[in-house]
Amino acid sequence: DTEVTQTPKHLVMGMTNKKSLKCEQHMGHRAMYWYKQKAKKPPELMFVYSYEKLSINESVPSRFSPECPNSSLLNLHLHALQPEDSALYLCASSHPGQGHEQYFGPGTRLTVT
Amino acid sequence: QKEVEQNSGPLSVPEGAIASLNCTYSDRGSQSFFWYRQYSGKSPELIMFIYSNGDKEDGRFTAQLNKASQYVSLLIRDSQPSDSATYLCAVNLDTGGFKTIFGAGTRLFVKA
Repeated sequence: DTEVTQTPKHLVMGMTNKKSLKCEQHMGHRAMYWYKQKAKKPPELMFVYSYEKLSINESVPSRFSPECPNSSLLNLHLHALQPEDSALYLCASSHPGQGHEQYFGPGTRLTVT
Repeated sequence: QKEVEQNSGPLSVPEGAIASLNCTYSDRGSQSFFWYRQYSGKSPELIMFIYSNGDKEDGRFTAQLNKASQYVSLLIRDSQPSDSATYLCAVNLDTGGFKTIFGAGTRLFVKA
């Protein structure tokens, strides 16, 4: 089973709202990732958690706040976003090993109004 | 700046033909290489990964890696209209394996 789930599928929020994106995997993977993908562009890495600890933060603005409550769950808390933050937000997971091949969830389509 | 370069296409091939997709990367220390397929509006799907020089085959897909030339390719044999998608080349940088850089993708059209 290579399933990563993400909720919600779609989210519309105003610039003053606070919302959260959720990601879950039950593959026993110990690394989890957040990516942002704009239309017709490749995914851009935002954060990486390894064994529930933040391993990589790609200089993401503080209005994005990641959280990894346990090895299966990953959240992305959103606050005071800008319209240019509208994108597809992808979660991925990998098993620490030779290649770290990543498996993606279906994504959350975020629109900031 | 670490880079992964792909021809954006579109690459158009007739049904049943071989589609050849190419990728070059700049970080000589990179160890892991991936091909993802992404249909419009969907998330990337891992279809191949390769770590060693040479060829790796899985069904109709063959990944080829040449670390000396910093080049990785994907061959799709007997191309089908359902293979029409954007193919993303991805490379793990030599930073513990977590940092992945994606190429811009090659759009493939398979004509029936």
